[in-house]
Amino acid sequence: QKEVEQNSGPLSVPEGAIASLNCTYSDRGSQSFFWYRQYSGKSPELIMFIYSNGDKEDGRFTAQLNKASQYVSLLIRDSQPSDSATYLCAVNTRGQFYFGTGTSLTVIP
Amino acid sequence: GAVVSQHPSWVICKSGTSVKIECRSLDFQATTMFWYRQFPKQSLMLMATSNEGSKATYEQGVEKDKFLINHASLTLSTLTVTSAHPEDSSFYICSAPGQGGNTIYFGEGSWLTVV
Repeated sequence: QKEVEQNSGPLSVPEGAIASLNCTYSDRGSQSFFWYRQYSGKSPELIMFIYSNGDKEDGRFTAQLNKASQYVSLLIRDSQPSDSATYLCAVNTRGQFYFGTGTSLTVIP
Repeated sequence: GAVVSQHPSWVICKSGTSVKIECRSLDFQATTMFWYRQFPKQSLMLMATSNEGSKATYEQGVEKDKFLINHASLTLSTLTVTSAHPEDSSFYICSAPGQGGNTIYFGEGSWLTVV
């Protein structure tokens, strides 16, 4: 079983809609959770991180963590074409970082 | 601004030659750095973990004699692709844990083309 799993997509949403990206992890000892965005041909950039159960909002982005279900998600409100990218979920488990394979998101104008 | 800097951004080399890519942590010390390779439209693949002052730890299937990693200081790790071949053409990315090890920062990446 992989440490971190994401649906590879592609996920397509119309401009202005909410994009929902999901990630599950296998180790209950995982402590912190990250979402990165990677544009084609570029390096990943950190969007946000979350440590505690519940929601964390930053602008149009909301990360949601449910440790009981071992599930972390990223919601993007009012999606823009510029949000089209691959979104990587990462998990810190006892100091080791594990990345999902990424979900490709396309926002259709 | 960037907290991890990678150089060069682009490099073209002839088959059989060696290429060095540098990864620097800016304003913080990184005892550990990570090297990834990414082929077009594929996911990140961890190649190795670079450890300051000791040998790198390579992932299964990665040739340590071909991908030489040196982590000579707390702010610099280098990846040397030796005897490069066209199939080594890829996007190489380094990363380092931030202060406290609570997150990972990526370098800008290096595109290698072997002709």
